[in-house]
Amino acid sequence: NAGVTQTPKFQVLKTGQSMTLQCAQDMNHEYMSWYRQDPGMGLRLIHYSVGAGITDQGEVPNGYNVSRSTTEDFPLRLLSAAPSQTSVYFCASRSISGRDTGELFFGEGSRLTVL
Amino acid sequence: AQSVTQLDSHVSVSEGTPVLLRCNYSSSYSPSLFWYVQHPNKGLQLLLKYTSAATLVKGINGFEAEFKKSETSFHLTKPSAHMSDAAEYFCVVASGAGSYQLTFGKGTKLSVIP
Repeated sequence: NAGVTQTPKFQVLKTGQSMTLQCAQDMNHEYMSWYRQDPGMGLRLIHYSVGAGITDQGEVPNGYNVSRSTTEDFPLRLLSAAPSQTSVYFCASRSISGRDTGELFFGEGSRLTVL
Repeated sequence: AQSVTQLDSHVSVSEGTPVLLRCNYSSSYSPSLFWYVQHPNKGLQLLLKYTSAATLVKGINGFEAEFKKSETSFHLTKPSAHMSDAAEYFCVVASGAGSYQLTFGKGTKLSVIP
């Protein structure tokens, strides 16, 4: 059982370049999300989705786009990378059906450096 | 609105001694509370969760946490630290409609001295 899979694990970009971080889950979870983790800041929510065709902004959405065409996939796009986007990015998913608030399942992270 | 405050950014204990990681929260609704652990260069893993059942929650690897509504706290404890417990720990609150919006604390790094 793969769980949440993120690619790539490492990426170096130059300022102004674009790229997409891929995220896929095989647990049929309705909810998927992207977080960034910076030292001393904890995890901050970038964008999230509660189902195919539905996305919404989190705490720090500027500079990032997302789409959700299938239940399984939730890519994160950087259209014009900036050094401030140097961070570790985590994709996470959970079930939001039923009364249980559920557990967030995390990918192993993607470390992005923007020069 | 909801928020989480982890009172210590870094805690250092000797192997075999108790661990206490402190977390206070605020929430407009009845919260769900979680502790996650992150080992170096890894994703986050759920340690335990409180969802309005028993106030003393037992998790994996001997950790437990007690929900205290009067103190708005959810401190994480373990009777005896092991070297493998060295990691960063995050307290997380979920509240509001749907309870799927989570707010993370800034983390507490636990060091275990041999």
